[in-house]
Amino acid sequence: QQQVKQSPQSLIVQKGGISIINCAYENTAFDYFPWYQQFPGKGPALLIAIRPDVSEKKEGRFTISFNKSAKQFSLHIMDSQPGDSATYFCAASFSDKLIFGTGTRLQVFP
Amino acid sequence: EAGVAQSPRYKIIEKRQSVAFWCNPISGHATLYWYQQILGQGPKLLIQFQNNGVVDDSQLPKDRFSAERLKGVDSTLKIQPAKLEDSAVYLCASSLMTGYTYEQYFGPGTRLTVT
Repeated sequence: QQQVKQSPQSLIVQKGGISIINCAYENTAFDYFPWYQQFPGKGPALLIAIRPDVSEKKEGRFTISFNKSAKQFSLHIMDSQPGDSATYFCAASFSDKLIFGTGTRLQVFP
Repeated sequence: EAGVAQSPRYKIIEKRQSVAFWCNPISGHATLYWYQQILGQGPKLLIQFQNNGVVDDSQLPKDRFSAERLKGVDSTLKIQPAKLEDSAVYLCASSLMTGYTYEQYFGPGTRLTVT
C-alpha cells in the first residue's frame, strides 16, 4: 500500500488561527515523513520532517504530530499568517523515494 | 548555493509532437529525480538516477517517455509523442544523502500544455 491520504483538500483560516492538516498511510516500511510547502509557480520546498521514533517535532510555528500506532501524522501551523497561504503536501518515504499526498490548499485571511 | 535549475519554464505543444526538458541539479547532489505533477495532485515519481545510473523507472511510461543523465550531472526528460494527458508540471529534484537524511530539493518545474 503506497498511498498517502491527505485531508482536507482545502482550508480557510483566519489570521492568527491554527491550521491543521492530516495524513494517513498504510505501509509500515515508511521511515521518514516530510511536509512540503508549494507556492504557485514554484517547486515544493521542505518545511519540516519527522521520523517514526518521535511523536512530535516543532520548528517555530510548525509542528508535526506523529501517531505510529494509528499510522497518522498531522501538521499544525500556529498563529497562521497570510504568507502561509500555499499548498501543503505530506509525504512518506522509504529508502529515498517520496510518496506524496494529494495536497491541501491553505488560505489565511487577514 | 544555487538551486535546481530547469528549462524551459513553460511549453505548449500539440499532441503527437515531441518535447524535451532539461534539469541541472544542485552541485554535488548524486541523486536526481523527475516527477510529474498533474493539476490538483501531488508530485508522482517518474524516474530516479544515482549518478548516471537509473535506480527506479518503474513509473515511467517507457513507450513515450525517456530520460538520461549523462556524466552524472545534467538530465533531460523527453516525451515523444505527447498525449493530452501529459499536460502537467514536470519537476526535477536532487538530493544529497547524508546518513538518514533524504531531503529533496525541487526546481521550479516546467509547465507543459498539450493541445
